[in-house]
Amino acid sequence: DGGITQSPKYLFRKEGQNVTLSCEQNLNHDAMYWYRQDPGQGLRLIYYSQIVNDFQKGDIAEGYSVSREKKESFPLTVTSAQKNPTAFYLCASSISWMNTEAFFGQGTRLTVV
Amino acid sequence: KNEVEQSPQNLTAQEGEFITINCSYSVGISALHWLQQHPGGGIVSLFMLSSGKKKHGRLIATINIQEKHSSLHITASHPRDSAVYICAVGANTGNQFYFGTGTSLTVIP
Repeated sequence: DGGITQSPKYLFRKEGQNVTLSCEQNLNHDAMYWYRQDPGQGLRLIYYSQIVNDFQKGDIAEGYSVSREKKESFPLTVTSAQKNPTAFYLCASSISWMNTEAFFGQGTRLTVV
Repeated sequence: KNEVEQSPQNLTAQEGEFITINCSYSVGISALHWLQQHPGGGIVSLFMLSSGKKKHGRLIATINIQEKHSSLHITASHPRDSAVYICAVGANTGNQFYFGTGTSLTVIP
């Protein structure tokens, strides 16, 4: 079955460490997205990628980095520069950047202690 | 300015009740999504729709494109339906989804 997979579901890291969240899809989708959710708030866009080897900053990109070396994969690195990294992170993909009929991952809850 | 508004924010129901959650949006869309988020945070996609109505088990989703409104209905609600339900729209300009802040549903036995 085609789908989008985020791993792990829960992640714990010490303050000051970089951490990479995985997002993989086997849907042959060109576009992929990363969102962040804080308690009581809607999801906000961190980065998006329209096509392989290309990505753009979203609304809250500071302290994050991404890569898109393969169509299937769009990993998100939360760097030590991110002031408040503890949050829920959601990955999504769509057929193309113009077609936002999307699939969503189950999310990763990151806790930095 | 919120592109997606959901109501109500919180909802408590007795087991067996019929539940309706509403979503209004202000942007042009290519698709609207209903997501379910359980305590502990995992997201489950319930529906993706761009017109009409979809049904899956006890869940029904409708959308009125002209009125920019969607509803999620739960028939014969059950305590396991307790979760946060999130409405998300995919903008028809591409590159962006807009999310509501969610409706927290509690179904009491």
